[in-house]
Amino acid sequence: LAKTTQPISMDSYEGQEVNITCSHNNIATNDYITWYQQFPSQGPRFIIQGYKTKVTNEVASLFIPADRKSSTLSLPRVSLSDTAVYYCLVGDHTGGFKTIFGAGTRLFVKA
Amino acid sequence: EAGVAQSPRYKIIEKRQSVAFWCNPISGHATLYWYQQILGQGPKLLIQFQNNGVVDDSQLPKDRFSAERLKGVDSTLKIQPAKLEDSAVYLCASSLLQDPTGNTIYFGEGSWLTVV
Repeated sequence: LAKTTQPISMDSYEGQEVNITCSHNNIATNDYITWYQQFPSQGPRFIIQGYKTKVTNEVASLFIPADRKSSTLSLPRVSLSDTAVYYCLVGDHTGGFKTIFGAGTRLFVKA
Repeated sequence: EAGVAQSPRYKIIEKRQSVAFWCNPISGHATLYWYQQILGQGPKLLIQFQNNGVVDDSQLPKDRFSAERLKGVDSTLKIQPAKLEDSAVYLCASSLLQDPTGNTIYFGEGSWLTVV
């Protein structure tokens, strides 16, 4: 499984765009990149997933460069309710569906 | 669509006692996971089932933890005897067997365990 590296924490203000970058230098050809969000007292929640280039949904965008050794989760115009821990995962089913979480990035959004 | 159901939501026990957590995954999800999340850390995979077979239990402390998924649907995680360091949130999750990414996992809200 590819190991991921993320910043431990980030601060932002309401209305700003937040970009969280994840490094995964050993990503394999079959690996997908998935981001989860976790609020206090809740289980992680799937946000977005991609393989290459750019993916956008109603919550976020995911930018993946051509070498796929990193990815950036972009949250547009954050609000206080976006304060959470964000986890980056890489992997695929050929590894036996093993899904390993790192420590994640703690995002604090201030008023 | 109903999500992953877990119970109990909260449990406080004394060390050396036993506790059991129950999980009902999303209907049709063949893969079921149990994670342990200690405060301030990311979830740690304890055991993973595919239908009623174990795919990975390499991080399950088998001297005190056990889990089963007898009919390939519901699952139970048991701790006996509990230690202080078992205080954590126990998260159950499920995913589709056919998911090629292996990473689209749906979590329950967790069962909070405090061992005193």
